[in-house]
Formats: sequence, C-alpha cells, structure tokens
Amino acid sequence: ETGVTQSPTHLIKTRGQQVTLRCSSQSGHNTVSWYQQALGQGPQFIFQYYREEENGRGNFPPRFSGLQFPNYSSELNVNALELDDSALYLCASSTGQGVYSGNTIYFGEGSWLTVV
Amino acid sequence: AQTVTQSQPEMSVQEAETVTLSCTYDTSENNYYLFWYKQPPSRQMILVIRQEAYKQQNATENRFSVNFQKAAKSFSLKISDSQLGDTAMYFCAFMKHGAGAYKYIFGTGTRLKVLA
Repeated sequence: ETGVTQSPTHLIKTRGQQVTLRCSSQSGHNTVSWYQQALGQGPQFIFQYYREEENGRGNFPPRFSGLQFPNYSSELNVNALELDDSALYLCASSTGQGVYSGNTIYFGEGSWLTVV
Repeated sequence: AQTVTQSQPEMSVQEAETVTLSCTYDTSENNYYLFWYKQPPSRQMILVIRQEAYKQQNATENRFSVNFQKAAKSFSLKISDSQLGDTAMYFCAFMKHGAGAYKYIFGTGTRLKVLA
C-alpha cells in the first residue's frame, strides 16, 4: 500500500478529445511526477510538480499539462488526443525535492487510457 | 543524455532456482542512483532494490541482490530462491542525484516468469 491512488483506472476516449487523469498522494508528499508507459515499454517522464509549480518536463508536447493542488492531489490533462497517447499513465509522489538517501518515491497503480 | 538498456525481453526460471537479470546504462554523471522495480499485473511499480553509485558495496534486500559495476556501467539483479510471486515485469532505472526536478530513466523491461 503506497498511499497513492489514481483515477479512473480505465477509460476510452476518441481522437481529438480531452482527458483529465487524477492522482491523490499521501499527506506531505509535495512532489509529484507523471509518467507515460506505452505497451511493452518502460515508463517515460512527462513532468514533475513541486509545491504546485512545474519544475521539470520531459519530451512531451504542450498539450500535456498538469496541476498540483495544496491537498496533495494532482491532475494530468491531455488535449487533442492522438492514437499514440494510448498508454498507462503513472503518478509518483514523494516528500521534498530531489533524490537523497532515504527519500522514497511511491507509485500509483496507473490509469489505462485507450484512444480510438 | 542517460540511457538504460535491458537486453533480455523475457526470461524464465524454475521455482527455488536463481536468476540474474541484466542492465547496462550510459551516463556522464558521477553521482546517481540505480533501481530495480517490479511491475506485477496490478501495474503498480514496486521498488525491489536501489543502489547509490558512490557506494561500492552491492545492495541486498532479502532474496534480491545486485552486482553493480560502475566502470562497466552494469547493474544486474540476482533473485535467489525464486518464488511464483516473483513473476512480473522488471525494470531497471537510473536517476541523477541531487536537488531539483528528478526523473527516472527506465529500461524497456524484462518479463520474468517463475515456473512451478
């Protein structure tokens, strides 16, 4: 049990639509990252939020955006969905910024997005 | 840019036997972390073991141990006394040490099947 919950677990969207995925972290987890995991691949970093500000971004277009809220929840928004956006989207949270000995990162179970 | 390579897409092992999963990586960083994550069908990424690059001693966690060769940029995972519950995808991952935004660089994974 990691204390990181994601919703919805599965959803199907049509190409061109918009989607919002949600993540609820443990209290005190002020850093959250989102990853995209295509079928048969390892997760790829989308972006990271620290204290409600984006502080790092991977190689994803601007139609991927996010929000982090004071209650340790966050959202991933994807506009103008494309077929290649079909993937498992993982949320990962932790306390603090950066990686140091003893700092543990917790993953949720992910949201499966299918774009048709 | 950092890369992580897992050259074994699939492996199988008999229950109670030992298996080694391979991982190589490329980086110009001197301070970093390496991880092995397990992803069962539930999709949640579960931390198996982590290694700080500045530590020469190989990390161990119960039946799991690593062989970290920094000069060769190699980081293999050994699972002893394999159990049916070890059946899962295993991902090797790299992360830079320090402050600021942090992100995992994952390999493409190795699917491990433990046979009864």
